[in-house]
Amino acid sequence: AQSVTQPDIHITVSEGASLELRCNYSYGATPYLFWYVQSPGQGLQLLLKYFSGDTLVQGIKGFEAEFKRSQSSFNLRKPSVHWSDAAEYFCAVGPTSGTYKYIFGTGTRLKVLA
Amino acid sequence: GAGVSQSPSNKVTEKGKDVELRCDPISGHTALYWYRQSLGQGLEFLIYFQGNSAPDKSGLPSDRFSAERTGGSVSTLTIQRTQQEDSAVYLCASSLSGGSGEQYFGPGTRLTVT
Repeated sequence: AQSVTQPDIHITVSEGASLELRCNYSYGATPYLFWYVQSPGQGLQLLLKYFSGDTLVQGIKGFEAEFKRSQSSFNLRKPSVHWSDAAEYFCAVGPTSGTYKYIFGTGTRLKVLA
Repeated sequence: GAGVSQSPSNKVTEKGKDVELRCDPISGHTALYWYRQSLGQGLEFLIYFQGNSAPDKSGLPSDRFSAERTGGSVSTLTIQRTQQEDSAVYLCASSLSGGSGEQYFGPGTRLTVT
């Protein structure tokens, strides 16, 4: 069955430090992959998505992610974190084969130290 | 323009009561999704609408849950005979055409069953 795993529940980084959030997926074919951010009191916002082609994708707010088929991973990165990046980040895959269903990971909560 | 709106933002109900949650998608978006977000969990897909029809109801957890969409716009998620385990944030998202298109999320309805 398709699944998405975000191994890190919480991550704390200092402002200005680099960031990498991990995402691993289980999917039979080449997946459509997404990263969303949920800021406190806000709805989820799409950061970036991967469908095909270049495995390094650029998103909004200075984020990027790299699709690695051999590792079934789609890790999110940012070279220099800002205090406003404190939020919860969700990786998702979908729609899954034969359905319209999207599968989300359990999220990684990012804390940024001043 | 206006985003996805949901009402009420918070709902407290007694166990056994029925509740209705409303979603107003972005105008012109034909695809609409309902998700449930429980504490410490990722988003759980509930149902997908394309226009007024629901080709994928596979995520509805029990027959106490139902949803409808009228006029290709507003959607209502109904939970009958609520249970404490139904307590969660219910999120609605709309997409221009469904499939792998970007989903725009509403702020959610926080449901508490006492």
